[in-house]
Amino acid sequence: QLQLQESGPGLGKPSETLSLTCTVSGASISSNNYYWGWIRQPPGKGLEWIGSISYSGTTYYSPSLKSRVTISVDTSKNQFSLKLTSVTAADTAVYYCAAPYNWNHVVDLWGQGTLLTVSS
Amino acid sequence: DIQMTQSPSSLSASVGDRVTITCRASQSISSYLNWYQQKPGKAPKLLIYAASSLKSGVPSRFSGSGSGTDFSLTISSLQPEDLATYHCQQSHSAPYTFGQGTKLEIK
Repeated sequence: QLQLQESGPGLGKPSETLSLTCTVSGASISSNNYYWGWIRQPPGKGLEWIGSISYSGTTYYSPSLKSRVTISVDTSKNQFSLKLTSVTAADTAVYYCAAPYNWNHVVDLWGQGTLLTVSS
Repeated sequence: DIQMTQSPSSLSASVGDRVTITCRASQSISSYLNWYQQKPGKAPKLLIYAASSLKSGVPSRFSGSGSGTDFSLTISSLQPEDLATYHCQQSHSAPYTFGQGTKLEIK
């Protein structure tokens, strides 16, 4: 069945550009059944929707992060990625990759999450 | 952006109690409202979608209702395994915002 697994650096310094990757298994990332997205959760806080990308490349980003975020797909590796520029301590969070359904954007599949800490 | 406001932010209840969590949208979202359960240290799991549709395999003690701007999640008889944080999310329009979460504790 479809599974998602995040990977990333774990730790970064303020002002850096950091990238996280989500490996998709059990289905092709070119499937038109899903969007491919990222959601984060700062320690002790609620969930924040970051953005998503469709199989055709249509992207949606949170306006509060849009200037610093890029989500892209690598079909050759069956992966999608999140790039976050000019990071600060406020970007410290558990980052989840997710697969919202294409027709209603409901998230029924989540990765296990990866902690990204930004600290000097 | 559509703002989602949950209440209460936390609550404590006893096994067997009926528990209700509410979620309010800053504008009408029809029935595009989803509920997720997140247990400590784990990723969220979908409980209810489209305001009142129970995901397959979710216990029937969970139910959702509402439309427009006001929604609720009800647990009819609280069980110990329901210890978790519950999140609402609107899927009406991007950005697909979440509420701040409701932490449910068992007395």
